[in-house]
Amino acid sequence: ETGVTQSPTHLIKTRGQQVTLRCSSQSGHNTVSWYQQALGQGPQFIFQYYREEENGRGNFPPRFSGLQFPNYSSELNVNALELDDSALYLCASSPGRGVYTGELFFGEGSRLTVL
Amino acid sequence: AQRVTQPEKLLSVFKGAPVELKCNYSYSGSPELFWYVQYSRQRLQLLLRHISRESIKGFTADLNKGETSFHLKKPFAQEEDSAMYYCALKVSGNTPLVFGKGTRLSVIA
Repeated sequence: ETGVTQSPTHLIKTRGQQVTLRCSSQSGHNTVSWYQQALGQGPQFIFQYYREEENGRGNFPPRFSGLQFPNYSSELNVNALELDDSALYLCASSPGRGVYTGELFFGEGSRLTVL
Repeated sequence: AQRVTQPEKLLSVFKGAPVELKCNYSYSGSPELFWYVQYSRQRLQLLLRHISRESIKGFTADLNKGETSFHLKKPFAQEEDSAMYYCALKVSGNTPLVFGKGTRLSVIA
């Protein structure tokens, strides 16, 4: 059974740039969610994808967007990067068929630094 | 809005001592509560959930609706319990998990 994988593991961007983070869900899981974890904070929900559509969103601006592909992998895109976007971005998958579940399987995260 | 509070950023205990990681939540209905753990150099993973009422790695947690708490307990701490622990809340309906800020447990030999 393959776990959730994320890439890249680390990246550095400058303000105003755009970034794309990638996630492959655990095999058999069709629902993917993204979380932002700022330093010293718990993970904060960004959005969830099921059947290639966003089916839930947290309190994040529209410059945070995503995609899910037919193989259930997903991308998180952030436009017009701001310094406060510096954080660990976690992808989590679940077999929940789009239903929110408390049992999430997390990747190791992509650490984004915005200078 | 729902909120999870973990009052301690860091908790240090000696090996063999009892451990209690505190978690309080704000929600008036019937929530689902979870504890997630992140060991050094590992990914965040589910430790236990209140509906299972099970003991995992010697840890237990009881949901106290009167005190709106879900404290994580273990009678005898072990060095391998050193990790970051996050309490998380899921309210009724189709809503995502809300995490607390976490408590770092350090077990001293």
